[in-house]
Order: sequence, then C-alpha cells, then structure tokens
Amino acid sequence: GAVVSQHPSWVICKSGTSVKIECRSLDFQATTMFWYRQFPKQSLMLMATSNEGSKATYEQGVEKDKFLINHASLTLSTLTVTSAHPEDSSFYICSAPLQGAYEKLFFGSGTQLSVL
Amino acid sequence: GENVEQHPSTLSVQEGDSAVIKCTYSDSASNYFPWYKQELGKRPQLIIDIRSNVGEKKDQRIAVTLNKTAKHFSLHITETQPEDSAVYFCAASKAGGGNKLTFGTGTQLKVEL
Repeated sequence: GAVVSQHPSWVICKSGTSVKIECRSLDFQATTMFWYRQFPKQSLMLMATSNEGSKATYEQGVEKDKFLINHASLTLSTLTVTSAHPEDSSFYICSAPLQGAYEKLFFGSGTQLSVL
Repeated sequence: GENVEQHPSTLSVQEGDSAVIKCTYSDSASNYFPWYKQELGKRPQLIIDIRSNVGEKKDQRIAVTLNKTAKHFSLHITETQPEDSAVYFCAASKAGGGNKLTFGTGTQLKVEL
C-alpha cells in the first residue's frame, strides 16, 4: 500500500523560531500533496495544496509568508512554519493522493508542534 | 465551497451493538465520500469510501450508504469491538476539485465492554 512518511513526529520550539516539517511519498510519486492542521478535538482543516514544480495554493485565511511550502521533487514536500508563535501549536499532517486512484488520500503520521 | 456536517459528535455503544454516524454535504457536485478512522495522535486511516454512482458499499463489519438526493451519507459499524473506539471523520470531494477533501467535524466513538 501507499506510504507517506512525515518527520518529525513532534517538535518543541521557542517562540520566534522556524520549524520545517517534511513529507515524503515512499513508494509512489506525488505531484500534489496537501497540508492540514488539526487542533485538539477538532477536524482537519486544509491549509494548502503543494504542487511539484510550482507554487503552492493556499486556502483562504492561511498566511503564505508564514507557512512556506516547497515541493521540489515528486516525493518530497516541506512545510516551514516561520517565526512560530504559541497559537501555531497544532497537529500538522500531510497527505498525498495515490496515482490511479486519485481520490484516495494517504496521510503522513503527523507532526505535533508545540511553541513555547 | 463544500460544507460537511457530521453527527453525533460523540457516540457510546456497548460491545456487539451497531454504531451509525451520519453526514450531510452541501455541494451537489461532490461525488466521492471517504470515511477515516483516527486514533489519538495518529494519522487518519481510510476505512471505506463510496462514489456517487453507488448507493451502498460494504466491507465486512463496515458499510456506507449514500443518498444523493438528500445529500447525506452514513457509516454503519456492526458487531462493534473495543478496538473500534476512535474518532471517525467523513469527508467529501468532487472530480475536478483537485482531490480537496472537506472533512466533517468528527465523531468520537467509544465501545464499552
């Protein structure tokens, strides 16, 4: 089955620092990846769509300068939370659609970010 | 855009009983409806999905029904077991929507012994 690997699984950082989260498709190519954010006991909210070789598409209300997305290869997308603040603390999770079954999304294991 | 509502937010059942979770969607163009199971701190796992050209789909103890006219779909779990305890999310997307899934608000299912 399709495997999406996400690292790190958790990170604690000081306010004002930047944090990079990596998402890799291990056994398939992903021209598109999605980044979600999930607050405790809430649903998954789409933040942005990462497109290989082009700019990411951000959902309304998501600051593109704060959440930098890079999709430099067919298997890797990164999300960088710049100048993190405590309100950015959340569970960040990526997902990628499987080619040939384009609707099916497979999720990374998630990154729990805690900003002190 | 699409709006997906999910009920109930919490559901407690006795082991062996059935559990039903219901979702409604707003965009009549949506045509793909997956269900995900998420355990605490872990990734959502796809457990079953249905496309709009099908009214019902079953996989062992899990089934999903879709009513396109009413724009609602439901997850049915029979013979529930303690390991079914988790948060369940419904979602909807449409062809040409770039695989963008809109998720429901989630249902915390607790299966009690």
